[in-house]
Amino acid sequence: EAQVTQNPRYLITVTGKKLTVTCSQNMNHEYMSWYRQDPGLGLRQIYYSMNVEVTDKGDVPEGYKVSRKEKRNFPLILESPSPNQTSLYFCASSLDGVQEQFFGPGTRLTVL
Amino acid sequence: GENVEQHPSTLSVQEGDSAVIKCTYSDSASNYFPWYKQELGKRPQLIIDIRSNVGEKKDQRIAVTLNKTAKHFSLHITETQPEDSAVYFCAASINPGTYKYIFGTGTRLKVLA
Repeated sequence: EAQVTQNPRYLITVTGKKLTVTCSQNMNHEYMSWYRQDPGLGLRQIYYSMNVEVTDKGDVPEGYKVSRKEKRNFPLILESPSPNQTSLYFCASSLDGVQEQFFGPGTRLTVL
Repeated sequence: GENVEQHPSTLSVQEGDSAVIKCTYSDSASNYFPWYKQELGKRPQLIIDIRSNVGEKKDQRIAVTLNKTAKHFSLHITETQPEDSAVYFCAASINPGTYKYIFGTGTRLKVLA
């Protein structure tokens, strides 16, 4: 089954404790992206990647890191999480940068 | 910077009526405009998209129109049904050269039976 998976689905952590949210797709997509969703603000792009080792900043990259060492995986790293990073995070992938994006199920992160 | 404005933020219609959601974008280089539907507690899913070389696209009860001169695009849903109730997001791809996406802030559509 073609899909985008994210782990964990729910995470409660404390300020400053490094964490990684994994994202994987099995559709051989070139493009992958991370978004955060907050009430009233819609979806805001954090980082995106056009291919292996090619990443670029979205609208709200501060406080986040990404890597694309393999085509299928695009982890999101929070080196020192803060409460303002409490949000619902979605990973997405598409064939290229201008095709339908397929979203993962979301990761609800709470930083205390 | 790039921006996408979406209106209205909430919309209530009677079942069977039409719904229209409008978005305005700022970057004239934008060339791909998708619309996503997000049901409560679910992930966003594409419902229709349009590219800058096309003025209108239709898929059954859903249509999207694009006015490049005015830099706005609209989603039209006809004969609305209760299952159309959801949050709808417009987006613009900033392209070429970058593949950033800017999303609108969403429209909560309620279809009243």
